[in-house]
Amino acid sequence: NAGVTQTPKFRVLKTGQSMTLLCAQDMNHEYMYWYRQDPGMGLRLIHYSVGEGTTAKGEVPDGYNVSRLKKQNFLLGLESAAPSQTSVYFCASSYQSSAEQFFGPGTRLTVL
Amino acid sequence: AQKITQTQPGMFVQEKEAVTLDCTYDTSDQSYGLFWYKQPSSGEMIFLIYQGSYDEQNATEGRYSLNFQKARKSANLVISASQLGDSAMYFCAMREGRGSTLGRLYFGRGTQLTVWP
Repeated sequence: NAGVTQTPKFRVLKTGQSMTLLCAQDMNHEYMYWYRQDPGMGLRLIHYSVGEGTTAKGEVPDGYNVSRLKKQNFLLGLESAAPSQTSVYFCASSYQSSAEQFFGPGTRLTVL
Repeated sequence: AQKITQTQPGMFVQEKEAVTLDCTYDTSDQSYGLFWYKQPSSGEMIFLIYQGSYDEQNATEGRYSLNFQKARKSANLVISASQLGDSAMYFCAMREGRGSTLGRLYFGRGTQLTVWP
């Protein structure tokens, strides 16, 4: 099992460009999450999904959109990147809401 | 108000000694869960230990134990017999019972642990 994987690992964007981060899990988990981590901070929830075809906003959703067309994939989109979105992005999944979350390796995004 | 407070930005411990990393939490729910994650310099988030609010015994996982004091709302992580590989950032996190269908975690700001020989 690969667990939770994220693509790409690193990316540099210019302000206004768009991109999509891909998260994939092979553990048949229902719940998937996107977090961002900024220096000196813990992780903050951006969006989440409680099952295929469902998505919802987390703590810091502005400037991001998500989709969960397949159970194993959770996509995070930036339509018009801003320097404030420079961060490390983590995807996580869990088989139920009360269970531990398994995290991907992270994507380091820089917006110039 | 912060849900999770980690008051120690950095801690130092000598190899083979025990160390306690502090965590206090804020919730009015009766049902909640507390987690500790480790983040080495390579960046990945590694789950260490979990304590449920109704668990009567303190959780233990190998060299990790969670000192759960419900009345004081603290969930300190104790690492026994520290190893050089324990040097990392440690995050405390909480899942509240309210909105439990979400399962979102609230994270503290972390404690950077350095183990020296």
